Amino acid sequence: QVQLVQSGAEVKKPGASVKVSCKASGYTFPNTALHWVRQAPGQGLEWMGWINTGTNNRKYSQKLQGRITITRDTSASSAFMELSSLRSEDTAVYYCAREWRAPYPRFDHWGQGTLVTVSS
Amino acid sequence: SSELTQPPSVSVSPGQTASITCSGDKLGVGYGCWYQQKPGQSPVLVIYQDNKRPSGIPERFSGSNSGNTATLTISGTQAMDEADYFCQAWDSDTAIFGGGTKLTVL
Repeated sequence: QVQLVQSGAEVKKPGASVKVSCKASGYTFPNTALHWVRQAPGQGLEWMGWINTGTNNRKYSQKLQGRITITRDTSASSAFMELSSLRSEDTAVYYCAREWRAPYPRFDHWGQGTLVTVSS
Repeated sequence: SSELTQPPSVSVSPGQTASITCSGDKLGVGYGCWYQQKPGQSPVLVIYQDNKRPSGIPERFSGSNSGNTATLTISGTQAMDEADYFCQAWDSDTAIFGGGTKLTVL
């Protein structure tokens, strides 16, 4: 079965960077796109960006452009999201989600989430 | 920027029908999806392409889209359906989410 397993919780100081991993299994990794979505405490879902795990094309939200980098390692069936210059507003649960496109795109599987806390 | 608007909360009695709306320009030109999220859990896809149910999602969940408004309908609502529900649409290859609706079953 399809699984997305993310790395563990992180505590970072303001100004630091964080890198969260998402390991996929149960399907052919290069055949889809992986997205990153975050959720601040008590808030809604915010789309951050995505990577085409086959072509390596990427797109980021305008809000995070310049601070976010999404990469992949096809040999490890993993994707990574790095966010730099962290501030308190970046405290959130970060999810990776698989986009399945047949016949129309949707997020059909999600990781378990990674809590990132930014605090001095 | 594109936005999707949902009511913050909806209440329903057990066994009754709950309807949650989602409005936005992108729903008029594309399909919508719905996700259920229970406290402390990851979102779960319950409706895609406006009205399709993934395998494993109960038949009481249905969806529709008319004009710029998508609607998630839960027939015969059960206590286990109490959760936050988020709509989602696409703006080119960018995903946009609604603010979420807390469904209370009382």
